[in-house]
Amino acid sequence: SQQGEEDPQALSIQEGENATMNCSYKTSINNLQWYRQNSGRGLVHLILIRSNEREKHSGRLRVTLDTSKKSSSLLITASRAADTASYFCATAPKGTSGSRLTFGEGTQLTVNP
Amino acid sequence: NAGVTQTPKFRVLKTGQSMTLLCAQDMNHEYMYWYRQDPGMGLRLIHYSVGEGTTAKGEVPDGYNVSRLKKQNFLLGLESAAPSQTSVYFCASIASSMGGEPQHFGDGTRLSIL
Repeated sequence: SQQGEEDPQALSIQEGENATMNCSYKTSINNLQWYRQNSGRGLVHLILIRSNEREKHSGRLRVTLDTSKKSSSLLITASRAADTASYFCATAPKGTSGSRLTFGEGTQLTVNP
Repeated sequence: NAGVTQTPKFRVLKTGQSMTLLCAQDMNHEYMYWYRQDPGMGLRLIHYSVGEGTTAKGEVPDGYNVSRLKKQNFLLGLESAAPSQTSVYFCASIASSMGGEPQHFGDGTRLSIL
């Protein structure tokens, strides 16, 4: 079963606006990761936040993690048309062998020029 | 440095045929994974390997077999393809399980079974 659930399923914004995507999960985790997938391509890692961290930044990306609510959010500031892609959260559940990740169903982001 | 390479990129099979998907990585990574992605869904783990000669089942292993005879290669086999196995298959790898690391993905194999 899918550990992560993402909200919204689809998001359409104008260039320059901020985009926020949310992820909820069910079990305790070691870390949570966000990936981007452009159409017809593989997933590309964006950012990793560990369970003892609350916020992390990377360029125009800001990720927050609330382990008490079992939720995370990804904020993309000053969006560009090139940010159009699907975004997935992935969790590394505690006690899972092999460094396996469980992926959410993704948010399809469309940035209109 | 190619990263993770998947072959073939596209394939059409008839029900009951068999085939093998190849994943090759040139990063000397220990761990490798096979996922499938169906429309509107995230990735589901089929099988994975934590080192040469090892394999383990993931979330949806039925109908698939895998082998990791060489560290750089991870093969996914379909012995008797079924229409339900129509999907996009992704391979990924990481160096090790130390402290959480991002997975590196190939660009996928698009498989249609008629």
